[in-house]
Amino acid sequence: EVQLVESGGGLVKPGGSLRLSCVVSGFKFSSYTMNWVRQAPGKGLEWVSFISTSSSYIYYADSVKGRFTISRDNARNSLYLHMNSLRAEDTALYYCARVGSGYDDPHDHWGQGTQVTVTS
Amino acid sequence: SYVLTQPPSVSVAPGQTARITCGGDDIGSKSVHWYQQKPGQAPVQVVYDDSDRPSGIPGRFSGSNSGNTATLTISTVAAGDEADYYCQVWHSRSDHYVFGTGTKVTVL
Repeated sequence: EVQLVESGGGLVKPGGSLRLSCVVSGFKFSSYTMNWVRQAPGKGLEWVSFISTSSSYIYYADSVKGRFTISRDNARNSLYLHMNSLRAEDTALYYCARVGSGYDDPHDHWGQGTQVTVTS
Repeated sequence: SYVLTQPPSVSVAPGQTARITCGGDDIGSKSVHWYQQKPGQAPVQVVYDDSDRPSGIPGRFSGSNSGNTATLTISTVAAGDEADYYCQVWHSRSDHYVFGTGTKVTVL
């Protein structure tokens, strides 16, 4: 069974940092590209960041570029999102999602999300 | 930036057909995926590559894509279909993934 489990969320002050983790099981992690997607309270889905299988290709949404860093450890079946200079507008539920081998493949499995709240 | 526009809400009586549109510039040239999200739950894909269904998704869910509009159709709507629905594409010109604005489906 494919599973994705996020952790690392919490309450942080503006300007602070957090590192989110997503541990996966039930599939060969190194064969899949991965995304982080977030959802602010009462709002829609917003793509955050993409990482290719070998970390050769990395993309960010304009809203987080320069502040967030995505990474992965294929040996540990883990995906990460390092978030710096956090702002109130970064408050959201953060999901990791499995994408296929191609950029335009669907997000076929999602975790349950980890909540990030940025407030003074 | 590339924008995908959906109607905020669609209301449909049980047993009827719901159609949710997703508008985007030349979206017909892209692969469109659709997700269902029920309250308090993670999204679940219901249609991928415009019109294919993942295993386990009922045949009542179908999709089409042409020109500037993609459409998710839910036939014989049931109370359990009440949810938010999002379209999504990969925009290669900007190397960005884009989600639609989302549509809340209400079963009357």
